[in-house]
Amino acid sequence: TQLLEQSPQFLSIQEGENLTVYCNSSSVFSSLQWYRQEPGEGPVLLVTVVTGGEVKKLKRLTFQFGDARKDSSLHITAAQPGDTGLYLCAGVSREYGNKLVFGAGTILRVKS
Amino acid sequence: GAGVSQTPSNKVTEKGKYVELRCDPISGHTALYWYRQSLGQGPEFLIYFQGTGAADDSGLPNDRFFAVRPEGSVSTLKIQRTERGDSAVYLCASSLCWRGCNQPQHFGDGTRLSIL
Repeated sequence: TQLLEQSPQFLSIQEGENLTVYCNSSSVFSSLQWYRQEPGEGPVLLVTVVTGGEVKKLKRLTFQFGDARKDSSLHITAAQPGDTGLYLCAGVSREYGNKLVFGAGTILRVKS
Repeated sequence: GAGVSQTPSNKVTEKGKYVELRCDPISGHTALYWYRQSLGQGPEFLIYFQGTGAADDSGLPNDRFFAVRPEGSVSTLKIQRTERGDSAVYLCASSLCWRGCNQPQHFGDGTRLSIL
């Protein structure tokens, strides 16, 4: 059982479309992070959210942490082919020994 | 370089052999982590070092897996009597600190281990 459930698992869209990726759990997290990973490379941190209800923006990417700190979303506006990659959410929870636990990821493919 | 360096980038070996995977963290990072990433999954925690000592090795799957960090910098993940199920990408990450701080983890590009 995945501690962090990500959906969808795979998303293929046209350039210019908007999309949202979800990360859900039944556990409360003290912080939640989003990473992007490309083939043959390690994950690269995009953002960390720590406060319930927090919204952070990074250019065309908007990240939100749920009020109860159990879920998060990543919204991309006007997707570009360069956004293609594996998006991973990861969280730190006392319930899991304060170790960073990852979701299985969402594979995003943006076609030009 | 300024990032986390992992060697080798690829390792292919036969079942039953012994392998060593090396991680060179970012200079000055006291915390070092090993993760394993299987196909279609996110990274899974294996072990964490704070300085030279393994502060948490609860993620190591069994006693065939062992890791060291003798001088508090470079770390080696060692796998004995490898099995086909050990095939995965092994990722290393480092950060300035662990619990009680919000410093991010910086990942290397991993070692892709294939057991034939």
